[in-house]
Amino acid sequence: DQQVKQNSPSLSVQEGRISILNCDYTNSMFDYFLWYKKYPAEGPTFLISISSIKDKNEDGRFTVFLNKSAKHLSLHIVPSQPGDSAVYFCAVHGSGNTGKLIFGQGTTLQVKP
Amino acid sequence: GAGVSQSPSNKVTEKGKDVELRCDPISGHTALYWYRQSLGQGLEFLIYFQGNSAPDKSGLPSDRFSAERTGGSVSTLTIQRTQQEDSAVYLCASSFSSNTEAFFGQGTRLTVV
Repeated sequence: DQQVKQNSPSLSVQEGRISILNCDYTNSMFDYFLWYKKYPAEGPTFLISISSIKDKNEDGRFTVFLNKSAKHLSLHIVPSQPGDSAVYFCAVHGSGNTGKLIFGQGTTLQVKP
Repeated sequence: GAGVSQSPSNKVTEKGKDVELRCDPISGHTALYWYRQSLGQGLEFLIYFQGNSAPDKSGLPSDRFSAERTGGSVSTLTIQRTQQEDSAVYLCASSFSSNTEAFFGQGTRLTVV
């Protein structure tokens, strides 16, 4: 039973356009949400996070939106660049659990020049 | 060190042999995580340490898998009597506390032949 779901295995966008990656979670007790980027043969790299007290966090081209009522978060990348092509994972921390990070299955983003 | 260090980076072993994977977390990080990623799959949680104790080892696939952490620093993941299905990239991550972003190592690619 997956607690964190990324329903789109892949996404393709044109350079300069917006990329929107989505993530759904099941437990309303989760209180800290993160996005990671992973290139082949490398470990995941932390991108951006948001706590449950906020609904938006922005860092340069990356913005994370949190909709607690829908148990949904999204990552917006604008403008998208070819170097953004990677696998993106959302992850959650739960306040009631032992602190482990739970990851979604990942979405492969391809940004075409 | 500056980042999470894992060794070896690659390991090829014969079925039935034991292997030991090592993780050096970022200095001062109290939380340490082990994950694995099989081919085409997402990040599978294995075990989480807070200090030297493991509040959550629910992801260990079988009793052939064990992990320890000593001195609140280095961790080793041991797989006994390896099987071909154990082939995967084993990733270690550490974080300052249990509710902050985690930083990953490059991973150990384990191949069981």
